[in-house]
Amino acid sequence: AQSVTQLGSHVSVSEGALVLLRCNYSSSVPPYLFWYVQYPNQGLQLLLKYTTGATLVKGINGFEAEFKKSETSFHLTKPSAHMSDAAEYFCAVSDRYSGGGADGLTFGKGTHLIIQP
Amino acid sequence: GAGVSQTPSNKVTEKGKYVELRCDPISGHTALYWYRQSLGQGPEFLIYFQGTGAADDSGLPNDRFFAVRPEGSVSTLKIQRTERGDSAVYLCASSLTLDTEQFFGPGTRLTVL
Repeated sequence: AQSVTQLGSHVSVSEGALVLLRCNYSSSVPPYLFWYVQYPNQGLQLLLKYTTGATLVKGINGFEAEFKKSETSFHLTKPSAHMSDAAEYFCAVSDRYSGGGADGLTFGKGTHLIIQP
Repeated sequence: GAGVSQTPSNKVTEKGKYVELRCDPISGHTALYWYRQSLGQGPEFLIYFQGTGAADDSGLPNDRFFAVRPEGSVSTLKIQRTERGDSAVYLCASSLTLDTEQFFGPGTRLTVL
């Protein structure tokens, strides 16, 4: 069975500072990994995903994540936080499909990112 | 173009009542998913449709939950004899294929009093 652990239910950073959101996974097979963002009253939006190939993945809004198999991690980073980045972030894993179906995605509990002015 | 839509956005009901939650996927998307997101938790997979058939309903918590997609487009999640523990946000997502991005709707917030 696969699982996802997100360290820190809340992360607070100053505007302009580095954003680091941590995600560790467990999977019995090479996984497909995803980061989603959820703004208030909106649906989840895909930020980026790792399928195969390059382990450093670039996504939308300046975010990127690095797949580290030896550490079973897929941490999300952004060099400089912006006020508009304040949202809930979810890491997810799928062990069969690069889009997450048909078993669905397995999500972590989420990290609420707070941006201090 | 239109994204995934869900109605109602909020539903308040009493314990023991029956509720239906509707999902309109993106046009042309054959795959449709339902997830449940409880307070402070990530979304939890409930059921997946490929076309009209429920290809995987292993995530449904018990037999009070049922979902249909009769024409391969709109889907309805049905909950019988609701319990307070059913209170959550119910999310719907659709994708073109199993290997393409899932697009999520805004969810239906269900509150069982």
